[in-house]
Amino acid sequence: KAGVTQTPRYLIKTRGQQVTLSCSPISGHRSVSWYQQTPGQGLQFLFEYFSETQRNKGNFPGRFSGRQFSNSRSEMNVSTLELGDSALYLCASRSRDRGNTGELFFGEGSRLTVL
Amino acid sequence: AQSVTQLGSHVSVSEGALVLLRCNYSSSVPPYLFWYVQYPNQGLQLLLKYTSAATLVKGINGFEAEFKKSETSFHLTKPSAHMSDAAEYFCAVSVGLSNTGKLIFGQGTTLQVKP
Repeated sequence: KAGVTQTPRYLIKTRGQQVTLSCSPISGHRSVSWYQQTPGQGLQFLFEYFSETQRNKGNFPGRFSGRQFSNSRSEMNVSTLELGDSALYLCASRSRDRGNTGELFFGEGSRLTVL
Repeated sequence: AQSVTQLGSHVSVSEGALVLLRCNYSSSVPPYLFWYVQYPNQGLQLLLKYTSAATLVKGINGFEAEFKKSETSFHLTKPSAHMSDAAEYFCAVSVGLSNTGKLIFGQGTTLQVKP
């Protein structure tokens, strides 16, 4: 079974631009979560999507948004990029089957550098 | 509110020595607890999880952790360190009673293994 796939793996943007990151979950997983990882703040939860609906949201400004498609693939978008948005963005999927303990399966991340 | 504290941002051991990585949690409800490992330029991989079934949890690569409610701890151990264990380790707690894609992570502990 293929793992969580994130694209692109690396990207460089300049301040003020916007970026879209993509995540394909493990086949059969319908829940997708996004995390931001930085040296200073560590791993922080951005949002979770299930059945194309946002179920949970972290404490990030409105510049950070996401969506999920009917095939469970997800995208996140960051508009008006700031230097502080430089980070590793991790996507994780999980099964929500009854009895599943809900561990997250992570992709390798998209490393965003904002210049 | 749930929180996780990992004691020691860096731990250094000799190859063959005991590995002990400390994690304390704060939760107002019975928690789900996880340990993840992250190798350079990769995503997070689940080592083990506690979901109230057994207090001593065995994971992959010879790691195990013991849930101690009285101490609110979930320390990770391995009897004999291997060079390949060098990585960053994260303890995490699940938010809420039911499984969720929102985890609260500790700040991480970098494990160095010396030959």
